[in-house]
Amino acid sequence: GDSVTQMEGPVTLSEEAFLTINCTYTATGYPSLFWYVQYPGEGLQLLLKATKADDKGSNKGFEATYRKETTSFHLEKGSVQVSDSAVYFCALTSYGNNRLAFGKGNQVVVIP
Amino acid sequence: GAGVSQTPSNKVTEKGKYVELRCDPISGHTALYWYRQSLGQGPEFLIYFQGTGAADDSGLPNDRFFAVRPEGSVSTLKIQRTERGDSAVYLCASSPGLGHYEQYFGPGTRLTVT
Repeated sequence: GDSVTQMEGPVTLSEEAFLTINCTYTATGYPSLFWYVQYPGEGLQLLLKATKADDKGSNKGFEATYRKETTSFHLEKGSVQVSDSAVYFCALTSYGNNRLAFGKGNQVVVIP
Repeated sequence: GAGVSQTPSNKVTEKGKYVELRCDPISGHTALYWYRQSLGQGPEFLIYFQGTGAADDSGLPNDRFFAVRPEGSVSTLKIQRTERGDSAVYLCASSPGLGHYEQYFGPGTRLTVT
């Protein structure tokens, strides 16, 4: 079945550092890919998405490129802020299947 | 406008009891989804509705779980004979329809079974 794998463990980094969170997926057909973010005390929010190969999703300085050849959708941001501290989830939906399949999530802590 | 709302925000119940969790989707959204999130995990799909009908209930873990959406708006997730393993955050999401639409999530109901 469809699945998403995120790198293990929390990520702690200093303000203005470069952030990468790895995400790889297994899916039948051509999935749509998403990054969701959960800020402390808030609900899940869509951060960005890409619906076909080579598409780049971007929002709030974050970017991720849909790489079909490596089945990856890594999240990057060039200069993080304390306000980026949150849990980040990679997710997908497959064609004809509207359920979201999520990775386990990564806690990101940005230190001033 | 109003987002997805869920009530109660927290529910503590004893093992073996029955619980109902409510979801109010965004007005006009025809698709509604339920997910369950255990501690340290990503959300797991339970069921989704298109209108009043359950289009896919394959994520429901067993027959103690049931969900309804009788008028195509509000949905209720019902859990019978609760078990400690049912403790989790139950998330509801809605979207304008099926396809590549964003799913908008509610704040969740934290269920604790003692």
